[in-house]
Amino acid sequence: DTAVSQTPKYLVTQMGNDKSIKCEQNLGHDTMYWYKQDSKKFLKIMFSYNNKELIINETVPNRFSPKSPDKAHLNLHINSLELGDSAVYFCASSQGRDRVEAFFGQGTRLTVV
Amino acid sequence: GDSVTQMEGPVTLSEEAFLTINCTYTATGYPSLFWYVQYPGEGLQLLLKATKADDKGSNKGFEATYRKETTSFHLEKGSVQVSDSAVYFCALSSGNTGKLIFGQGTTLQVKP
Repeated sequence: DTAVSQTPKYLVTQMGNDKSIKCEQNLGHDTMYWYKQDSKKFLKIMFSYNNKELIINETVPNRFSPKSPDKAHLNLHINSLELGDSAVYFCASSQGRDRVEAFFGQGTRLTVV
Repeated sequence: GDSVTQMEGPVTLSEEAFLTINCTYTATGYPSLFWYVQYPGEGLQLLLKATKADDKGSNKGFEATYRKETTSFHLEKGSVQVSDSAVYFCALSSGNTGKLIFGQGTTLQVKP
């Protein structure tokens, strides 16, 4: 039973399109995150939600909009996709926020052509 | 700001060799420290963690000790296997945002 699941696993789309990535966790955690992994495998946080409230927004272009309908779901919508958005996007969750470990999904490889 | 620095890879070892991957950090306060592993095509899995100075995290034969005096959290394993081939990430979490700050990752390749 997958703890943090993302869909789709692969996403290939053209520049200018709008796309969404969905994430669900069944761990009962109250905090969820989106991380971006670039082509050099460097990981950086994008957003964090705690109980549906936005906690972290790390200077991400406003073409990226997270949405948390409930504490078990955190979706990422991207408008007007650009070539530079190509990356692997990871969803993660944690119980609490005070120096705790996060549990990651399998990632969504986004390729913009 | 807080940061994590890992040794550059790739690291190539023969099976049963001893592994060390160096990790140092800069942080205000008292962070928790983690090692995550990413197997090809997969997400990140927590390998081990330590939450305070002198704690030793261990799992699957891997160990790391939280050294406050040297601000380090080096990963070690006494005898690596081909199945340990992966990318290893050192990370810290400080404050109360839950944010993880990652090192750049170290690719380990173990040859039979």
